[in-house]
Amino acid sequence: DTAVSQTPKYLVTQMGNDKSIKCEQNLGHDTMYWYKQDSKKFLKIMFSYNNKELIINETVPNRFSPKSPDKAHLNLHINSLELGDSAVYFCASSQEGAWGQFFGPGTRLTVL
Amino acid sequence: AQSVTQLGSHVSVSEGALVLLRCNYSSSVPPYLFWYVQYPNQGLQLLLKYTTGATLVKGINGFEAEFKKSETSFHLTKPSAHMSDAAEYFCAVDSGGGADGLTFGKGTHLIIQP
Repeated sequence: DTAVSQTPKYLVTQMGNDKSIKCEQNLGHDTMYWYKQDSKKFLKIMFSYNNKELIINETVPNRFSPKSPDKAHLNLHINSLELGDSAVYFCASSQEGAWGQFFGPGTRLTVL
Repeated sequence: AQSVTQLGSHVSVSEGALVLLRCNYSSSVPPYLFWYVQYPNQGLQLLLKYTTGATLVKGINGFEAEFKKSETSFHLTKPSAHMSDAAEYFCAVDSGGGADGLTFGKGTHLIIQP
């Protein structure tokens, strides 16, 4: 069974479009995250969210917004896509009090 | 603030040789340290972690790492490299209680020569 899953795996779209990436975890974890991996493979935290608070990395444009319909899901919405948004986006989850995050397989976003 | 430095963006070793991937961190509070591996076109897999206790940590696939507070290091080693070890390796630190997410190093690409 997949612990952290993301859909779609690949997403190709035009500049200016709005898109969403879905993430689900079946581990019962209470905190979920979104990371961006750029073309040089550098990973950077974008958001973390649990049922208490959303922590946003200050460098993330407000075109990006996480939405959590329930504890097992944290979806990423991106408005007005730009060329620089092309990257691989990873969802992850962890349990409060336990150290280490479990990562999804990633979504490769290409903006044309 | 916390940061992670991985020395060497690429490391090449012969099959059967020792693997040593270097990681140094800075953190204003006691850190929790991790090594992740990323195989091509895949997500990140946790290799091992240091939280508290024994400073020599054993992980999966024969890897281990030693936390050295005096050197602010957490180097990853494996006694004998295997072709299947070829991947990208990331060192990460978490000193924010988890909710702030992990801070990653820039990664080291491990190449295994036959």
